[in-house]
Amino acid sequence: AQKVTQAQTEISVVEKEDVTLDCVYETRDTTYYLFWYKQPPSGELVFLIRRNSFDEQNEISGRYSWNFQKSTSSFNFTITASQVVDSAVYFCALSDLSGSARQLTFGSGTQLTVLP
Amino acid sequence: NAGVTQTPKFQVLKTGQSMTLQCAQDMNHEYMSWYRQDPGMGLRLIHYSVGAGITDQGEVPNGYNVSRSTTEDFPLRLLSAAPSQTSVYFCASSYSIKRDAGELFFGEGSRLTVL
Repeated sequence: AQKVTQAQTEISVVEKEDVTLDCVYETRDTTYYLFWYKQPPSGELVFLIRRNSFDEQNEISGRYSWNFQKSTSSFNFTITASQVVDSAVYFCALSDLSGSARQLTFGSGTQLTVLP
Repeated sequence: NAGVTQTPKFQVLKTGQSMTLQCAQDMNHEYMSWYRQDPGMGLRLIHYSVGAGITDQGEVPNGYNVSRSTTEDFPLRLLSAAPSQTSVYFCASSYSIKRDAGELFFGEGSRLTVL
């Protein structure tokens, strides 16, 4: 069965610091998809990125970057020069062949607080 | 753009009462689903639908019913609410049932409290 672990329950940083959110996943499938979602204090879920298991290229989008390593089953998310608006709960999620067609298995989330 | 719309946003029920959480999407999406979010547990799939007239159970279906009479609507029914159903509920949709069909689009959530 698939599983996603976000071991960091809460992280607190000071503005402009870099911060990395860890995500470790388990799956028996060779084809799978990994996601990151952001949940700001207002409560909605904001899609950040999707990565398939055959694409191990790291990705950078502005201050956000993602490091996908199949060898360690990790899909870590780094925010560079953090800002107060980055304060949110961040969820890592996995979709593989064992679940329903579009089922996402979510980690428990990491609460990031960026202090001014 | 409306996207995925959930109503109500907040609801308080007494144990044993019934209610329906509404979900509507205006993107002609094939796939719709309901998740619940509980502290420290992330989101868990309750029920999903791959098209009008087709529904199936997710990870935590007990106590909930769904139906999909139209492509746009996917209501979630609690027949006899229990305190364990206190949670935040999210409806999500996707244009395709295929796994490589991109992201799920989520509604803004419905916070339900059962006393």
